[in-house]
Amino acid sequence: GDSVTQMEGPVTLSEEAFLTINCTYTATGYPSLFWYVQYPGEGLQLLLKATKADDKGSNKGFEATYRKETTSFHLEKGSVQVSDSAVYFCALTAPLVFGKGTRLSVIA
Amino acid sequence: DVKVTQSSRYLVKRTGEKVFLECVQDMDHENMFWYRQDPGLGLRLIYFSYDVKMKEKGDIPEGYSVSREKKERFSLILESASTNQTSMYLCASSSGGRPYEQYFGPGTRLTVT
Repeated sequence: GDSVTQMEGPVTLSEEAFLTINCTYTATGYPSLFWYVQYPGEGLQLLLKATKADDKGSNKGFEATYRKETTSFHLEKGSVQVSDSAVYFCALTAPLVFGKGTRLSVIA
Repeated sequence: DVKVTQSSRYLVKRTGEKVFLECVQDMDHENMFWYRQDPGLGLRLIYFSYDVKMKEKGDIPEGYSVSREKKERFSLILESASTNQTSMYLCASSSGGRPYEQYFGPGTRLTVT
């Protein structure tokens, strides 16, 4: 069946560091891909999405590119802030199949 | 602004009790979902509904049932709560046109003792 594998955390970075969270998927057909973010004490929020190969989703300084050849959708941000501390989930359409989440902590 | 609300943020119930978790969305969405979130396991789909009075089993429906009598409301029912149902429960909704852009409620942390 369809599945998502994302890097395990936790990830701890200093403020202004570069962030990459890896996500790879297995799916039949051409799924849409998503990154969701969960801030402490809250539900999940859609961060960005891409609906076809080579699409780049972006929001709040985060980016991810839909790479069909490598079945990947890695999340990147050039300079993280303390306020980016959260759990990040990669997901694909199935209906939604989620990765297990990666906890990011950013320290000042 | 889109909104999904859940009836309780925190709930403590005893083993064997019948538990109702309520979810309401104000976006006129066709699709509604119930997930549970556990450390190390991520989100797992319990049930979902594509329309009023319709329901589909997700990955882990055992021990749960659902009800959708009105479009805006989707209830998760634990017929006889057990300690292994202690978890965070998340409700989500999405429109029929964009079924996979889901909007989530804040979650209900249920503890069964």
